[in-house]
Amino acid sequence: DTAVSQTPKYLVTQMGNDKSIKCEQNLGHDTMYWYKQDSKKFLKIMFSYNNKELIINETVPNRFSPKSPDKAHLNLHINSLELGDSAVYFCASSQVGLQEKLFFGSGTQLSVL
Amino acid sequence: LAKTTQPISMDSYEGQEVNITCSHNNIATNDYITWYQQFPSQGPRFIIQGYKTKVTNEVASLFIPADRKSSTLSLPRVSLSDTAVYYCLVGERGTGANNLFFGTGTRLTVIP
Repeated sequence: DTAVSQTPKYLVTQMGNDKSIKCEQNLGHDTMYWYKQDSKKFLKIMFSYNNKELIINETVPNRFSPKSPDKAHLNLHINSLELGDSAVYFCASSQVGLQEKLFFGSGTQLSVL
Repeated sequence: LAKTTQPISMDSYEGQEVNITCSHNNIATNDYITWYQQFPSQGPRFIIQGYKTKVTNEVASLFIPADRKSSTLSLPRVSLSDTAVYYCLVGERGTGANNLFFGTGTRLTVIP
């Protein structure tokens, strides 16, 4: 039973399209995140979200938006995809007070053509 | 944010003990040291966390000297399945993952 699951595993799309990546966690955690890992393998936080606060990394373009229908889900919407958006996107979660212990999903490889 | 420096890569033979050292010269008083492991095509996985001296769990040991300016992750008797990237992170406990920075990590290759 996967703790943090995200779909799809692979996503290939054309420039200019809009796409979404879904994430669900069954750990009962209060905070969820999206990370981006680029081709050089740098892992950078994009968003953190709990039911009280959304924190956005200032370097993230506003074409990216997180949407949380409930505490167990945090989806990532990307509008007007660009070539530079190609990367692996990881969803993660943690519990309040233990944010250093992150639980990651297996990633979504996004390729923009 | 406390910056960390680790070797880019390391090789080791199966069965050996591997020690990966991380430098964090500007670590703050309230910062904890956390290590993650990332296998290919997977998300990072929490391994161990410590504040000072030594911490041991079923996966690894973490050694932190008194000045806390560095830390060493020790993997006993590595196997091929330990081939992964290991990240050292430093941040204040409970302040959120936004204060954690994943650097380049150390790519460990275990050789048969």
